[in-house]
Amino acid sequence: EPEVTQTPSHQVTQMGQEVILRCVPISNHLYFYWYRQILGQKVEFLVSFYNNEISEKSEIFDDQFSVERPDGSNFTLKIRSTKLEDSAMYFCASTVGGQTYNEQFFGPGTRLTVL
Amino acid sequence: AQKITQTQPGMFVQEKEAVTLDCTYDTSDQSYGLFWYKQPSSGEMIFLIYQGSYDEQNATEGRYSLNFQKARKSANLVISASQLGDSAMYFCAMRSNTGNQFYFGTGTSLTVIP
Repeated sequence: EPEVTQTPSHQVTQMGQEVILRCVPISNHLYFYWYRQILGQKVEFLVSFYNNEISEKSEIFDDQFSVERPDGSNFTLKIRSTKLEDSAMYFCASTVGGQTYNEQFFGPGTRLTVL
Repeated sequence: AQKITQTQPGMFVQEKEAVTLDCTYDTSDQSYGLFWYKQPSSGEMIFLIYQGSYDEQNATEGRYSLNFQKARKSANLVISASQLGDSAMYFCAMRSNTGNQFYFGTGTSLTVIP
């Protein structure tokens, strides 16, 4: 069964450093998402991406964040200068289409720890 | 604005009993989808069940069923015959046809007691 994959599973970085979180969505999916979940808290939407551009983003997704689909298979989230409060689990997700019934398939997540 | 509310931060259920996890939502959209996800301690998000706003029948998937009451804007998850492996966080989510994102509730932590 096709699945969303994410690398790395755990990333430790120093405050102020740049990190890139990588995701490979399901191959025939067209809509891509990043969410974050601070430990023990709710899942928060960061950004959605369709047709090679951002379609929606939340207030969390400020100038420190960017997304890219560099090669038609990978979907990356970059944090330019990490802060302590960026420590969270980051989930990538994809859907095959934009209909309300299209289930979101989640990757296993990347746990980011900022020291 | 879309909003999902899960008012039960934690629930306990005896093994083999049924349990209902509450979810209410707020939207002005006519077309939307409601989803439940399970998040075990290992962290992954596992899709459980989907209900469309125009579906006349409640969705069922094995031991999971969704008690959909559109007028009350509620979409409660019912787990029958609870198993120890059902212990996890459960998130209710909604997607409307006016945007791409999913809106998540704060989750309910379910503990199944042997």
